[in-house]
Amino acid sequence: QKEVEQDPGPLSVPEGAIVSLNCTYSNSAFQYFMWYRQYSRKGPELLMYTYSSGNKEDGRFTAQVDKSSKYISLFIRDSQPSDSATYLCAMSARAAGNKLTFGGGTRVLVKP
Amino acid sequence: GAVVSQHPSWVICKSGTSVKIECRSLDFQATTMFWYRQFPKQSLMLMATSNEGSKATYEQGVEKDKFLINHASLTLSTLTVTSAHPEDSSFYICSVWLAGFYEQYFGPGTRLTVT
Repeated sequence: QKEVEQDPGPLSVPEGAIVSLNCTYSNSAFQYFMWYRQYSRKGPELLMYTYSSGNKEDGRFTAQVDKSSKYISLFIRDSQPSDSATYLCAMSARAAGNKLTFGGGTRVLVKP
Repeated sequence: GAVVSQHPSWVICKSGTSVKIECRSLDFQATTMFWYRQFPKQSLMLMATSNEGSKATYEQGVEKDKFLINHASLTLSTLTVTSAHPEDSSFYICSVWLAGFYEQYFGPGTRLTVT
């Protein structure tokens, strides 16, 4: 079993819909949680990061962390075709030297 | 966030030759950089942690004599793929970790094709 599980998709939604992404993990030591967006043949771009449990909002993006359930989510409101990309969750534990453990990524397609 | 560059963005080399990839942190001093490899339709796989002024730490299964890492300054880390083979063809990405923060910022990646 992988440390971080993420549905590979593809997830297809119409423009303007809410995109809902999530990851589950098994390592209770993870404290820092990040979401990255990666376009084809490009490096990952940091979208959101949170520490421990709670919610964080930034523009159209909302990240949620539920450490008790070992479950994190990313919501994208008013989705646009330009949001079509692969979304990667990543997490780390301070004791692990800030190494990131990635989910497999979810491919999202927003249709005009 | 930090701005990270990589050079070259794409390189083609012949089997048996060596290739050097540069990773630069343009606006922050980075004591720690990471090198990842990504195969098509797969997630990122950490290869090694590059620490300025000291030897890199390699992940299990990564050949340190094949993937040479040099972090000679606070803004530059290099990855040299020695005696490259077609199976080394991949997308290589570096990231910068900023002390006092928890997130990492990634470079645009380097596509290596070994013929």
